[in-house]
Parts: sequence; structure tokens; C-alpha cells
Amino acid sequence: GQQLNQSPQSMFIQEGEDVSMNCTSSSIFNTWLWYKQDPGEGPVLLIALYKAGELTSNGRLTAQFGITRKDSFLNISASIPSDVGIYFCAGQKGETSGSRLTFGEGTQLTVNP
Amino acid sequence: NAGVTQTPKFQVLKTGQSMTLQCAQDMNHEYMSWYRQDPGMGLRLIHYSVGAGITDQGEVPNGYNVSRSTTEDFPLRLLSAAPSQTSVYFCASSYSAQPNGKQYFGPGTRLTVT
Repeated sequence: GQQLNQSPQSMFIQEGEDVSMNCTSSSIFNTWLWYKQDPGEGPVLLIALYKAGELTSNGRLTAQFGITRKDSFLNISASIPSDVGIYFCAGQKGETSGSRLTFGEGTQLTVNP
Repeated sequence: NAGVTQTPKFQVLKTGQSMTLQCAQDMNHEYMSWYRQDPGMGLRLIHYSVGAGITDQGEVPNGYNVSRSTTEDFPLRLLSAAPSQTSVYFCASSYSAQPNGKQYFGPGTRLTVT
């Protein structure tokens, strides 16, 4: 069953505000990923993290791979209306699981102009 | 490159009907997979393939079959559709079967079973 707990489930913010969301697991993952899904589309990869403690940025987005390897965080700075969408975390255990991804339930972000 | 393509975009089936959801990629990716997305549950893995001729079950495989006769195509078959299979289905592919996280998703097929 689902192993990743993502929070918050939804966020309503004003344009220009910063956003934080996180993902936790009861088990260790070797890779953490963050995807964004726009309405009616498939998820698009935003950031991939490969090492515990790693901090990676992609424009206004910054994600961190938790040092316990059981959590990850995504921050969006100075939000804009096009940030609206569903953000998913995903974990990959590697080893015998290969490329299989386990997804969180998603965070629905609404940005009010 | 067209990336990952899926057809049809929308489908309505009656209970008991069968159908095949098509997925194709033109990136010469080894790894392909099928997910279903239901409200509040994220994406759940149905079946996956690490190369032509090799498939395996994911988290929710019951009621679905797959085959991988070519590198490019990975169709998903519903044998006897049930209302519980109403969902949005996404196909994804990755260059390597080795874990690197970089999976590319298709636009999805929205299936309703009545």
C-alpha cells in the first residue's frame, strides 16, 4: 500500500508568498523526486535528489533529501499564478525494486493573484 | 521526439467490456510503466517492464494485463472492466531500468466504467 505521507493536502496562498510542503515515510528511500501535475496533464519532473542531505534548486524551487532518508521537503519561493497544480513527492528504493516509484497523495496548490 | 503518447484520451466502457489502452514512446527507453490515479491516492503502479519481453506486477495489478513485444510500445489491457477501474491511467517511461528517478509521463487516459 501507500508508504509516503505528504502534507499539507492543500494550500491556498497569495501570489508572492513562499510555500513549503513535505513528504515522510516509514522506510528508507534512495532517491526522492518531486513532480508537478497541471490539470488534464501527466506529472512533470521538477527535481530529483540522490543523496541524503542533498539540497537542489530549480529556479524558485528548492528541494532537500532528508538526512534520515525517510523524508523530503519542497519549497517554492515568491509564488506566481502558474505555480497552481498538484505537487507529488515520489520515492525510489532502488536495489531489487529497480525504477519503481512510490508516490505521495499530492499537495493541491492554489495561488490567488 | 513526441515523448510518451497515450490513446485514447477519454473512454467510456460498460461493465464487462474489454479494451486496450495504448502507450508508445520514441525515446528508446528501456523502462515503461502504467499507473492509475485516483482522488486523494496519488499514483499507484499497475505493471511495469524493464525491457522488451519482460513485464512484472506493480502494486495494483489485478484486472489488468500487459505485454512488451517492442521497446516502443507497452499496451495495458482491461480484461473485463469493472466500475472500480474508473480512473485516470498514466503511462511513463525511463531511459534505464536502473533507478534514477527520471520517468517521463504521458498525458493520461480518462476511463469511466458504467
